[in-house]
Amino acid sequence: AQSVTQPDIHITVSEGASLELRCNYSYGATPYLFWYVQSPGQGLQLLLKYFSGDTLVQGIKGFEAEFKRSQSSFNLRKPSVHWSDAAEYFCAVGAYAGGGADGLTFGKGTHLIIQP
Amino acid sequence: DGGITQSPKYLFRKEGQNVTLSCEQNLNHDAMYWYRQDPGQGLRLIYYSQIVNDFQKGDIAEGYSVSREKKESFPLTVTSAQKNPTAFYLCASSGMGFTESSYNEQFFGPGTRLTVL
Repeated sequence: AQSVTQPDIHITVSEGASLELRCNYSYGATPYLFWYVQSPGQGLQLLLKYFSGDTLVQGIKGFEAEFKRSQSSFNLRKPSVHWSDAAEYFCAVGAYAGGGADGLTFGKGTHLIIQP
Repeated sequence: DGGITQSPKYLFRKEGQNVTLSCEQNLNHDAMYWYRQDPGQGLRLIYYSQIVNDFQKGDIAEGYSVSREKKESFPLTVTSAQKNPTAFYLCASSGMGFTESSYNEQFFGPGTRLTVL
């Protein structure tokens, strides 16, 4: 069974500073990796995804993530954060099931706080 | 606009009552999912369905039931057997990727917050 670890429960970053959110996964085969963002009381929005190919993937809102197979990691980065980036961030892994997609396994999330 | 709707946004029920949460999608997606979110716990999969009239249990299916009579609808019933039903419930849908290169991401609804009094 797959699993996802997000080691940081809370992260505080000053506005304009760079950001890196960590994600480690455990899965025996090729993982399908996702980062989602959630504002309070809302659903989840997909930031970016990795299926195969280039290990550095670009997403929406200026986010990027790098897949490192040797480290089983898929860390999310942003060069300069804005106050509107304050939210909960979830890393997720999916397993390909013959015939289509099944459920995702999520990490417990990282709460991002932006300091003025 | 295509999307996923969940209703109601807030739901209050007395302990021991069954309650049904609605999820509708007009994205023409084959697969639909229900997740439960608790503070500090991330999302956990309750049930999913890849085709009409068929569904599978997820990691925490006990105390829940679902049906999939129509492609666009996947209601979740929280039964009185669910020991701790107060939570935020999220519905999602995705297309069906029949090859690894066509794996589809999941799209989420706005959620229903259920409080059992």
